[in-house]
Amino acid sequence: KQEVTQIPAALSVPEGENLVLNCSFTDSAIYNLQWFRQDPGKGLTSLLLIQSSQREQTSGRLNASLDKSSGRSTLYIAASQPGDSATYLCAPSSARQLTFGSGTQLTVLP
Amino acid sequence: DGGITQSPKYLFRKEGQNVTLSCEQNLNHDAMYWYRQDPGQGLRLIYYSQIVNDFQKGDIAEGYSVSREKKESFPLTVTSAQKNPTAFYLCASSDKSGYGYTFGSGTRLTVV
Repeated sequence: KQEVTQIPAALSVPEGENLVLNCSFTDSAIYNLQWFRQDPGKGLTSLLLIQSSQREQTSGRLNASLDKSSGRSTLYIAASQPGDSATYLCAPSSARQLTFGSGTQLTVLP
Repeated sequence: DGGITQSPKYLFRKEGQNVTLSCEQNLNHDAMYWYRQDPGQGLRLIYYSQIVNDFQKGDIAEGYSVSREKKESFPLTVTSAQKNPTAFYLCASSDKSGYGYTFGSGTRLTVV
């Protein structure tokens, strides 16, 4: 059974810093991996999707990498802003199902 | 705009009652999913359906039931057998290839 771990559980940084969120998963036989953002009391917003054959994906200030063989993915956020404050969830997909980590709660201080 | 609509946003249930959460999508996606989220935890899969009139149990299906009579709709019933139903419920969909998931805005269920 797939297990997903996200480190750190919480992170507080001053505005403008570059930061890295980590995700590890136990079963490397994944179809793809998706990073989501969740604001308090809201649903999930998809940020980036990386296919299993890809190494990374970029969207604006976000860059996600995937090392399937080692069961790791990272989400890099450049020049963080207070509006980036949210919980970030990593979810590898296998057997057409997503498995979620507990997330990293990010606070960007102005 | 295409998307997933969940209703109601907030729902209160008395102990012993069944309640049904609605999920509708206009993305023409084949697969639909129900997740439960508890504070400080990740999402856990309750039920999923990859095609009309077919659905499978997820990791925590006990006390829940679903139906999939139409491609666009996947309602979730929380029965009185669910001992701890207070949680945030999220519905999602994906296309046949499983390429990317789209989530609704959630329903917060509280037992009073």
